[in-house]
Amino acid sequence: QSVLTQPPSVSGAPGQGVTISCTGTSSNIGAGYDVQWYQRLPGTAPKLLIYGHNNRPSRVPDRFSGSKSGTSASLAIAGLQAEDEADYYCQSYDSSLSGWVFGGGTKLTVL
Amino acid sequence: QVQLQESGPGLVKPSETLSLTCTVSGGSVSTYYWSWIRQPPGKGLEWIGYMYNHGGSKYNPSLKSRVSISLDISRNQFSLTMNSVTAADTAVYYCAKEVVVPGSMDHWFDPWGQGILVTVSS
Repeated sequence: QSVLTQPPSVSGAPGQGVTISCTGTSSNIGAGYDVQWYQRLPGTAPKLLIYGHNNRPSRVPDRFSGSKSGTSASLAIAGLQAEDEADYYCQSYDSSLSGWVFGGGTKLTVL
Repeated sequence: QVQLQESGPGLVKPSETLSLTCTVSGGSVSTYYWSWIRQPPGKGLEWIGYMYNHGGSKYNPSLKSRVSISLDISRNQFSLTMNSVTAADTAVYYCAKEVVVPGSMDHWFDPWGQGILVTVSS
């Protein structure tokens, strides 16, 4: 059981938008620690998508955005493209566990 | 641009020691923080620990008694050693550069290696 909770799967049609949630507790997201997001395309290594307070590496299109409220965070993907079909993971720091923690991952299917 | 590549045995016997190496190109292991992360089949990602130059390190408390990370600056590599492995340690192991914000616990991982599957079985 992962410390951060994500839905196992989400789906959307090309051109639509989807949101992936990441639920934590008062010792991680709720404590104010930043949430990062990673994308893992089939057969490849995870890649950083969002870091800090909704920052994107230069190679990541602005269709991807992150937000946080209370003990939860969300990744929003606008204008879905077939190439977005991948697994997405959230990550933060947990003060009770004294380490960095991840979500279980969400598989995005582009219909 | 930093790139990482894991190497090591894909099969380890129960109770023995798992040893993996990560070769870094495009950057020096004498700078930055270097981490190991794993993902058991069907489960989420788990941070194992990090090491940085001058001997600084931090490990996942749940694994701390069994793991060690070391740097080999001459070969530009860093390594993971995990002893007394069981079937529960079967996983894809990733090495990554851990990006650290000074004075903050807000770290992230970029880039990652491709990952290596290690199976613990007799």
